[in-house]
Amino acid sequence: QSALTQPASVSGSPGQSITISCTGTSSDVGGYNHVSWYQQHPGKAPKLMIYEVNNRPSGVSNRFSGSKSGNTASLTISGLQAEDEADYYCSSYTSSITYVFGTGTKVTVL
Amino acid sequence: QVQLVESGGGVVQPGGSLRLSCAASGFTFSSYVMHWVRQAPGKGLEWMAFIRSDGSYKYADSVKGRFTISTDNSKNTLYLQMNSLRAEDTAVYYCAKDRSWAFWYWGQGTLVTVSS
Repeated sequence: QSALTQPASVSGSPGQSITISCTGTSSDVGGYNHVSWYQQHPGKAPKLMIYEVNNRPSGVSNRFSGSKSGNTASLTISGLQAEDEADYYCSSYTSSITYVFGTGTKVTVL
Repeated sequence: QVQLVESGGGVVQPGGSLRLSCAASGFTFSSYVMHWVRQAPGKGLEWMAFIRSDGSYKYADSVKGRFTISTDNSKNTLYLQMNSLRAEDTAVYYCAKDRSWAFWYWGQGTLVTVSS
């Protein structure tokens, strides 16, 4: 199972909006709504930000939103803040009854 | 609150074995799917395996036949038995609690280094 494809880096200024893409296949992202997104700060464990494509766990800022079109899922961060600078990973359930993560995206706040 | 605490990491020679543990608390451990996820130094996340409440399990191709996932519900503990370890297995290993096909809670991770 190949990793889902994400851009290596995305940057934006405080207050701006950025979008991170996550491209898979019809056997994973395109075939199920079981796409989730994780934020990871250096030296820390990942934190769930979005599940089931576009649902936020309690306590996650509404500045984070998710969507999906075909084989590509997206995470949008609006009103970018310094604390949003981190690595972000997508994940999807697959038709092989396994899970696959994305390659990861480093978000930089300029 | 949910707490997951991994242990058992360390330095092991290539070809050696190691057993990781993940002590869970704050939820009904036996009712949930549990996962192992690893992260090589400076690299991305890699899903390893899951085990369901009925005992069924699944592995990533990269560890199938070498790693074994199991649970002890009496101890609220998840395990990962790792055999025939290779240099490329060097990573931080996380356990994670599943809900709605997502990794909702993560432990702090335990570092496994495979080196001679």
